[in-house]
Amino acid sequence: EDQVTQSPEALRLQEGESSSLNCSYTVSGLRGLFWYRQDPGKGPEFLFTLYSAGEEKEKERLKATLTKKESFLHITAPKPEDSATYLCAVQRHTGANSKLTFGKGITLSVRP
Amino acid sequence: DVKVTQSSRYLVKRTGEKVFLECVQDMDHENMFWYRQDPGLGLRLIYFSYDVKMKEKGDIPEGYSVSREKKERFSLILESASTNQTSMYLCASTLGASYEQYFGPGTRLTVT
Repeated sequence: EDQVTQSPEALRLQEGESSSLNCSYTVSGLRGLFWYRQDPGKGPEFLFTLYSAGEEKEKERLKATLTKKESFLHITAPKPEDSATYLCAVQRHTGANSKLTFGKGITLSVRP
Repeated sequence: DVKVTQSSRYLVKRTGEKVFLECVQDMDHENMFWYRQDPGLGLRLIYFSYDVKMKEKGDIPEGYSVSREKKERFSLILESASTNQTSMYLCASTLGASYEQYFGPGTRLTVT
């Protein structure tokens, strides 16, 4: 069974204080690892897909990295508008199956 | 931009009522999904569909059914609503495996 564990559950940062969010996973044959951002009361918004160990992707203050066991979402000099819940999900290599297994999310609060 | 819409943002129903939640996507996506999201439990897959009239059970299908008569529309049905089905329901769609899922805004369902 695929498993995704995100840590910490919650993170409070001061504006400008860089940090990293962790996503550890166990999957039999990783097809892709996905990061989403979710604002309160809204649906998740896609951020990144990573396919192989060593891959990195960046978007504004966010940078996602991938190893064979975990992924990190690095946030550089965060701003209050980066406050949200960040979700990680994995997809297994099984033919046309596009099912995702999600972690429980990390709630990030950035204080001005 | 991909757009996934859900029929209601908020819904209040009584125990025992039959409830229909509708989802429509405008990008000709093959795959569609229904999740529920609860505090501390994260996103859990209820049902998904690879094609019109095709459906597969997710991780928590009990108490739910689905219908996909047209490619763009995927309906979630609660045959007899119960209080433990009070939750945030999220619909998603994707072009296929390896592609990101796009989520709708969610329906917050309360069963009293």
